[in-house]
Amino acid sequence: DGGITQSPKYLFRKEGQNVTLSCEQNLNHDAMYWYRQDPGQGLRLIYYSQIVNDFQKGDIAEGYSVSREKKESFPLTVTSAQKNPTAFYLCASSNLAQPQHFGDGTRLSIL
Amino acid sequence: KQEVTQIPAALSVPEGENLVLNCSFTDSAIYNLQWFRQDPGKGLTSLLLIQSSQREQTSGRLNASLDKSSGRSTLYIAASQPGDSATYLCAVIPVDSSYKLIFGSGTRLLVRP
Repeated sequence: DGGITQSPKYLFRKEGQNVTLSCEQNLNHDAMYWYRQDPGQGLRLIYYSQIVNDFQKGDIAEGYSVSREKKESFPLTVTSAQKNPTAFYLCASSNLAQPQHFGDGTRLSIL
Repeated sequence: KQEVTQIPAALSVPEGENLVLNCSFTDSAIYNLQWFRQDPGKGLTSLLLIQSSQREQTSGRLNASLDKSSGRSTLYIAASQPGDSATYLCAVIPVDSSYKLIFGSGTRLLVRP
């Protein structure tokens, strides 16, 4: 089945540690997105990529990094510079201006 | 800067009631508006997408309207069911935003049996 797979479902980060969240899509979409969702709030854009080997900062990119080496994959690294990483992270993909398809999310917590 | 607001933040209704969720946006220059459903701990499911040239879209018991000039959209749910309980989010793609979605904070709906 076509879709977006995020892993892991739950992730714990120790202080000073970088962690990487995986996002893979088999929908042949050009664009991929990473969002952060805090309790009771909407989604805020972290990074997005419209084509392979290119990506742009969203509204809250500080403390995060991404890569887009393959069309299917858009991993997000939460670095130690992100002081408040506890949140629900959602990955999405689309072709431009078409509905975005979302994964089931990764919940990141601090140990 | 585009801002999206959803009112109310939470809503509790008895089963069978027709209900309306509201979404407003500050800049009418948009490509489209989408309504999403989010179940607890899950990702988002796209419900309806309304292009800027359209006035409404329907899918089953759901009807979404768009009044771009006034910056408003409504999601109408007919004959609500307990399975409709979820958070509903609206989002717009502003023109010249590189097709980025701007989300409201959502309406949390509870349909009581």
